[in-house]
Amino acid sequence: DAGITQSPRHKVTETGTPVTLRCHQTENHRYMYWYRQDPGHGLRLIHYSYGVKDTDKGEVSDGYSVSRSKTEDFLLTLESATSSQTSVYFCAISESGGGRAEQYFGPGTRLTVT
Amino acid sequence: ILNVEQSPQSLHVQEGDSTNFTCSFPSSNFYALHWYRWETAKSPEALFVMTLNGDEKKKGRISATLNTKEGYSYLYIKGSQPEDSATYLCASYNNAGNMLTFGGGTRLMVKP
Repeated sequence: DAGITQSPRHKVTETGTPVTLRCHQTENHRYMYWYRQDPGHGLRLIHYSYGVKDTDKGEVSDGYSVSRSKTEDFLLTLESATSSQTSVYFCAISESGGGRAEQYFGPGTRLTVT
Repeated sequence: ILNVEQSPQSLHVQEGDSTNFTCSFPSSNFYALHWYRWETAKSPEALFVMTLNGDEKKKGRISATLNTKEGYSYLYIKGSQPEDSATYLCASYNNAGNMLTFGGGTRLMVKP
């Protein structure tokens, strides 16, 4: 299994509070991704990173920000959590970008915003 | 944002049956097609990455084909086993979007 961990694994928070999710990899892969998984929508890309301090928006980036200060860590921040951000969040990594490299997924973080 | 569709949404088969399901994607600017297997309470795991029209890939009893001109891929499972029960996701990557777009998945349930 690819060495990807996510923390926390479960979190309940209140509307309006900031939340940060962490993805940590031990594979030294250049690309990292944050997805959210919702019923009826499959996996949707929030943001991705193609190197330290290099990030870009995905399909559903509104209300989220990311940071990558080290190769191994990719942080996802909800600046002010809303109930619509209740979801399961998956981090993924790949050796290269461009779509030809398979992605390896972390175990997921279940976030509930009350 | 691409429109990637999978059918059927769910499928129940008996152990030993062979089955197949479909992934449809826009053929313009196509670059790659991914298949993932996602067991309940686990993370998605890559099965195949396919790029060339006519590509056919196989892993054990599971195989996949790709038609980039008409924009579809088939996943086949021969002699389904209960451990094949999972959601199978496809995802398309094209040069315009520069990201993987996932379909909604096909949930396969294999009865012993």
